[in-house]
Formats: sequence, C-alpha cells, structure tokens
Amino acid sequence: DTGVSQNPRHKITKRGQNVTFRCDPISEHNRLYWYRQTLGQGPEFLTYFQNEAQLEKSRLLSDRFSAERPKGSFSTLEIQRTEQGDSAMYLCASSSRDRGIIEQYFGPGTRLTVT
Amino acid sequence: EDQVTQSPEALRLQEGESSSLNCSYTVSGLRGLFWYRQDPGKGPEFLFTLYSAGEEKEKERLKATLTKKESFLHITAPKPEDSATYLCAVVRGGATNKLIFGTGTLLAVQP
Repeated sequence: DTGVSQNPRHKITKRGQNVTFRCDPISEHNRLYWYRQTLGQGPEFLTYFQNEAQLEKSRLLSDRFSAERPKGSFSTLEIQRTEQGDSAMYLCASSSRDRGIIEQYFGPGTRLTVT
Repeated sequence: EDQVTQSPEALRLQEGESSSLNCSYTVSGLRGLFWYRQDPGKGPEFLFTLYSAGEEKEKERLKATLTKKESFLHITAPKPEDSATYLCAVVRGGATNKLIFGTGTLLAVQP
C-alpha cells in the first residue's frame, strides 16, 4: 500500500497528558499537511510542510501543539497538556509539488479521545 | 472571509434516483475546487479537482461542474455503495495551499 499512513489509529488519553501522532506521506510527495476534524464538520487546516520547512500554521495551532518533519519524510504532531476540547480526528495529507496545485491525499486519521 | 457552504446537509435517495449536491463558495482568487468522499471513521478520499468556470469532470456515476460561484456534484442512478459524506473544499489565491472545507452533505442511498 503506497497511501498515506497514520499511527496510532486510535488514542485515548487522560486530560493533561501529552500525545504524539505520526504521519508517513506518499513516498514521492514533498508537501505534508495536518488537519483536525470534529463530528459533523469538515476538516480544519492546522499546518503545512514543504520538505522539512513548516511554511504555514493556523491560528488553531495553539502553543500546546507542535509539528515537526525533521528529514522531510514522516511528520509528528504533538499535543501537550491535552484538554477535552482536543478530542477529534487528526488527519494527515500529502501532495506533490511537481504536479502543480495539487490535490491532497489523506490518510485514515488518528482518533483522539481525551477523558 | 473565505467561506464554503454545502447543501443540503443530508440527502436520502432511492437507488437509481439521480440528484445533485451543491457547493457555493466565497474565496479570493480561486485556485482550485476539490470534491472528496468520506466514509464513517475514515479519511477523505479524493474525487475531483476543478480549476476554472465551465470545467467538468466525470467518474463512474459522478460528475462535477464548476461556475464562478458554485460547484455541483451530480450523481446519476446512485447505488447503495455511493452512501457517504461528500465534502467540497477550495484553495484560495496566493501562497497558501490549505484546503478550506464545507461541512459536507451526508448522502444515504436506499436499495
């Protein structure tokens, strides 16, 4: 399977704990995106990487959230001191610069539940 | 402010009953409009990209069209397996690449 992969698929954590999610993009894609989706809503943009550079961040990405893509391949999204409002599906997507604007291909998501 | 509005919120069809989903948008300098399909508990699956007014794309029973203010996703003779949430998203002009999504249309096709 050469699609976008995300791990873990599900995460249950207690309020105040830190969590980290991983995304592996499609191998030839140099652009990587993180989105968050709550029930009944469309995905909301969080941040975007081109190779290892983080080029865009949403105001939704508070100082408790940090994302990295150290070698321009996989990416991690960390949430510190989780709150119940962080419960959501966290989606990763990737796209290829070589093909223009480009459609983004999404992974299966990581479902976070904060208790 | 950029905005994407989808209607209806939910649609129930009988198998074979054709219909259309609407996506109206307000965005500065549209660079592209995208349609995705999302099944429960899964990530969105890419369907179409439309770049300019008058453009049309087709895939099996689905056809997407674009005007300067809205896009339609036409579903011809739907089958139960077409049941899903259909999401519309846009990318605005400028340096950004972020997708701005609508809230989706939940389609249920009954046999």
